[in-house]
Amino acid sequence: NAGVMQNPRHLVRRRGQEARLRCSPMKGHSHVYWYRQLPEEGLKFMVYLQKENIIDESGMPKERFSAEFPKEGPSILRIQQVVRGDSAAYFCASSPETRGQGYTFGSGTRLTVV
Amino acid sequence: SQKIEQNSEALNIQEGKTATLTCNYTNYSPAYLQWYRQDPGRGPVFLLLIRENEKEKRKERLKVTFDTTLKQSLFHITASQPADSATYLCALLLSGGYNKLIFGAGTRLAVHP
Repeated sequence: NAGVMQNPRHLVRRRGQEARLRCSPMKGHSHVYWYRQLPEEGLKFMVYLQKENIIDESGMPKERFSAEFPKEGPSILRIQQVVRGDSAAYFCASSPETRGQGYTFGSGTRLTVV
Repeated sequence: SQKIEQNSEALNIQEGKTATLTCNYTNYSPAYLQWYRQDPGRGPVFLLLIRENEKEKRKERLKVTFDTTLKQSLFHITASQPADSATYLCALLLSGGYNKLIFGAGTRLAVHP
């Protein structure tokens, strides 16, 4: 029973390129969340999705960032025209339908913009 | 403003002692409070959750208390071991039927042999 799978683990992009981060939730989980973490800082909420729906994107920058969770396939966090300030660890988590359960996190994607 | 505060300084304790970590929050009404462990370079791992109407929860060497009047949770690790060294994150799941977890910045625990 695989947990939350994120890929790639490490991603290097030049300024101006696009970064695409993937997340497959745990089997049976229908809720996906994306968080961003800078060194020595806590997890900052970005977006909460269910299949084909964005429930809350209040933590996501209005420009260059987008997220989706299609009917088939993984959830994607897309960052267009990356800048150095986008360098961070991006974590995906999933949870079941039942409210109040702990989240299961992936190992993260470490994005470095050069 | 809304805040979740955890000790920003690292907590250093001797093996075998009890570690106590604090989580205080302001201007939130959590339905649940959760604790996670995070090791360097890894994703957080869920440890325990406690509901707003519960005072205390235990799991093996872990104990969590939740005081909604003080707006505080305490997280205890008894008989601590060097393997318990990690960053511990407090997180709130807000009331109102919403499924979004808000995290504190975490406290780093170092258990010395």
